[in-house]
Amino acid sequence: NAGVTQTPKFRVLKTGQSMTLLCAQDMNHEYMYWYRQDPGMGLRLIHYSVGEGTTAKGEVPDGYNVSRLKKQNFLLGLESAAPSQTSVYFCASTVPPNYGYTFGSGTRLTVV
Amino acid sequence: EDQVTQSPEALRLQEGESSSLNCSYTVSGLRGLFWYRQDPGKGPEFLFTLYSAGEEKEKERLKATLTKKESFLHITAPKPEDSATYLCAVRGGHTGTASKLTFGTGTRLQVTL
Repeated sequence: NAGVTQTPKFRVLKTGQSMTLLCAQDMNHEYMYWYRQDPGMGLRLIHYSVGEGTTAKGEVPDGYNVSRLKKQNFLLGLESAAPSQTSVYFCASTVPPNYGYTFGSGTRLTVV
Repeated sequence: EDQVTQSPEALRLQEGESSSLNCSYTVSGLRGLFWYRQDPGKGPEFLFTLYSAGEEKEKERLKATLTKKESFLHITAPKPEDSATYLCAVRGGHTGTASKLTFGTGTRLQVTL
């Protein structure tokens, strides 16, 4: 049972480049989330999904897009990367309504 | 807006020296308070969920307690392997069906021999 798998684990982008981060979970969880973690800021919610085909904005959605075409996958896209998007990105999933999240191991993204 | 404040930011203990981490929160209709452990370079790992004031949960050397305004994570006789960052998060009733969590910035714990 792999849990939540994020790919890639590391990436360096140039300003203006685009990329997609993939999150896959094998626990049949309905809800999935993308967070970013920055020093001194804690984990901040970017976008989330409460089921296949649904997405919604979180606390810091600007510059990101998401898609949930299949229940097990949640994709986070950066259309035109900016240095301010340098961060560690975590995907999480859960069974509603009140269970804790299961997190992936993170993607460390550097935009130069 | 939900808010979570954790203190101290960092804590250094000697092996066997018990202490407590604090998580103060403001939330509209608490639907759960969560504690996570995060090791360097890893994702947060779920520890506990507390739902109502007076509730307590234990796991090995860790014990979490909850009041109406704060939660404590008590660490009894810690070992070096307990070194990690401990994160607190809350889920408020206003999040509806989205089950969103608001996180604190964590307490970085170092346990030395």
